[in-house]
Amino acid sequence: EVQLLESGGGLVQPGGSLRLSCAASGFTFSSYAMSWVRQAPGKGLEWVSVISGSGTSTYYADSVKGRFTISRDNSKNTVFLQMNSLRAEDTAVYYCTKVRDQLLAGLDYWGQGTLVTVSS
Amino acid sequence: QSVLTQPPSASGTPGQRGTISCSGSSSNIGSNYVYWYQQVPGTAPKLLIYKNNQRPSGVPDRFSGSKSATSASLAISGLRSEDEADYYCAAWDDSLSALIFGGGTKLTVL
Repeated sequence: EVQLLESGGGLVQPGGSLRLSCAASGFTFSSYAMSWVRQAPGKGLEWVSVISGSGTSTYYADSVKGRFTISRDNSKNTVFLQMNSLRAEDTAVYYCTKVRDQLLAGLDYWGQGTLVTVSS
Repeated sequence: QSVLTQPPSASGTPGQRGTISCSGSSSNIGSNYVYWYQQVPGTAPKLLIYKNNQRPSGVPDRFSGSKSATSASLAISGLRSEDEADYYCAAWDDSLSALIFGGGTKLTVL
């Protein structure tokens, strides 16, 4: 059974940093790209970033480019999202997702989400 | 404002057929597959349709997807109360090199 367990969310001041982690199990982790998607309170889904199975390719939404960094540790079946220079508009539930194939758009498993609140 | 355009709401009565549209452009729907996600309030989204019209295992065949040029549609036959949810279309955008979501459609089963 595929499981994705996010951690690391919390309250942070504007301009601060936070590192999200997502521990994966139930599939061959290194064979699949992983993605982060966020959802601001009461709003729709917004894709944040994706990383290839090997970790050599990454893509970012324009809204987070230069501030967020996605990475992975295939020895620990874990994907990370380093978030720097956080803004109020980054407040959202962040979901870790497994990408079903190389087309990068089919997110076939989702974690339960972790809430990030950026506020002073 | 989302790159993919969906109606904010849709409704139907039990047993009816419901449809949700998704409009994009040549750089996204026009050149890539469309995906649909269902999000029941308070839960994580779920992949409903992939590659325009394919259903993951466990998704009832009441759900179907289609695509034509730069638009796509999700159809739900025999609406049930448990179909009440938010539905999002998504596609990779070649110009943005990003995955984009529609704004979401809230489906109400009256």
